[in-house]
Amino acid sequence: EDKVVQSPLSLVVHEGDTVTLNCSYEVTNFRSLLWYKQEKKAPTFLFMLTSSGIEKKSGRLSSILDKKELSSILNITATQTGDSAIYLCARAGGATNKLIFGTGTLLAVQP
Amino acid sequence: GAVVSQHPSWVICKSGTSVKIECRSLDFQATTMFWYRQFPKQSLMLMATSNEGSKATYEQGVEKDKFLINHASLTLSTLTVTSAHPEDSSFYICSARPILAGATYEQYFGPGTRLTVT
Repeated sequence: EDKVVQSPLSLVVHEGDTVTLNCSYEVTNFRSLLWYKQEKKAPTFLFMLTSSGIEKKSGRLSSILDKKELSSILNITATQTGDSAIYLCARAGGATNKLIFGTGTLLAVQP
Repeated sequence: GAVVSQHPSWVICKSGTSVKIECRSLDFQATTMFWYRQFPKQSLMLMATSNEGSKATYEQGVEKDKFLINHASLTLSTLTVTSAHPEDSSFYICSARPILAGATYEQYFGPGTRLTVT
């Protein structure tokens, strides 16, 4: 069965802290690993990772894929209250190219 | 570009009634749309994959007779929750994959529909 597991499930930090969110997946029919940020409505796309070891960066956010360990991390530096959200990773693949979402990490950044 | 809309954004219905949710790709055509549900503070769970002009593919454990999906055109898919019960109360989100997405996994999400069954 396809599974995507994220850790921690929830996290509370203070503004300015750096956080690392983890995502692990099963290898069956793997194509890509995607990260999304979800606030009150639908998820917004952050990164898509296909190649191992290549960091993708966007402002204070960065992410990297480790195919050997079947995992990915999302780093957020100098966190701000606006970073408070659920962060979802999803594995893309299979015959229908569907996304299998992980459990999500609820991040709360306190002022 | 790449905007997906859902209607309604929220709906309250009585137990036993049916509710239809629309998902539209506004500025692109999509052969494939996906329907997810999300319970509070939980992740998105894929319910079904909707392909234009053919029957939807449902995930294991999702009742196809209860959650009717119709992908009538390249810009519209509908999800009908039949004989709704309070346990069907959830946040329903659709996403659409552009025709030109090809081998990529590009999907654009709608804003979601919050369904409350009383």
